[in-house]
Amino acid sequence: EVQLLESGGGLVQPGGSLRLSCAASGFTFSSYALSWVRQAPGKGLEWVSSIAGRGSSTYYADSVKGRLTISRDNSKNTLYLQMNSLRPDDTAVYYCARGGLLTAWFYWGPGTLVTVSS
Amino acid sequence: EIVLTQSPGTLSLSPGERATLSCRASQTVISSYLAWYQQRPGQAPRLLIYTASGRATGIPDRFSGSGSGTDFTLTISRLEPEDFAVYYCQQYGSSPNTFGQGTRLEIK
Repeated sequence: EVQLLESGGGLVQPGGSLRLSCAASGFTFSSYALSWVRQAPGKGLEWVSSIAGRGSSTYYADSVKGRLTISRDNSKNTLYLQMNSLRPDDTAVYYCARGGLLTAWFYWGPGTLVTVSS
Repeated sequence: EIVLTQSPGTLSLSPGERATLSCRASQTVISSYLAWYQQRPGQAPRLLIYTASGRATGIPDRFSGSGSGTDFTLTISRLEPEDFAVYYCQQYGSSPNTFGQGTRLEIK
């Protein structure tokens, strides 16, 4: 059974940093691109970033470019999102999903909440 | 980037009725790479339909998708109580992937 489980969310001050993790199981991790998607409270879904299976290619939404960094450790079956220079409008539930830019996303984690506030 | 506009914003129907949700794209969606997701309160999105009309594994056959080019439709033939949720369309044929703003399906 495919499972994705995010962790690392919490409360952080504006300008602060946070690292999210997404632990995966039930599939050959390195064979799949992965993505982060976020949802601000009461709002819709927004694609944030994607990474290829071997990690050689990464992609970012303009709203996060230069501040958020996606990476993966295929030996640990784990996806990461390093979040720097956080702003209040980064407040959202962050989901990891299996799939990249040109695929539908069949599997999603339950999400982790990031709150940026002083 | 491709902008997806969903209509209506809110749809009020009763169990057993038929629901028709629309998603219109600002440009042609390449290869009909259009997906529909259902999101219940407090849950992650769940994929229902991919490539405009393909039903994901485990999705009941009362859910169907259609369309091509710039106009797409999700139809729920007979609403069950668990179908009342928010529905999003997503295009993944052009970078960046983009989502519609959602249609809220509520019990009348």
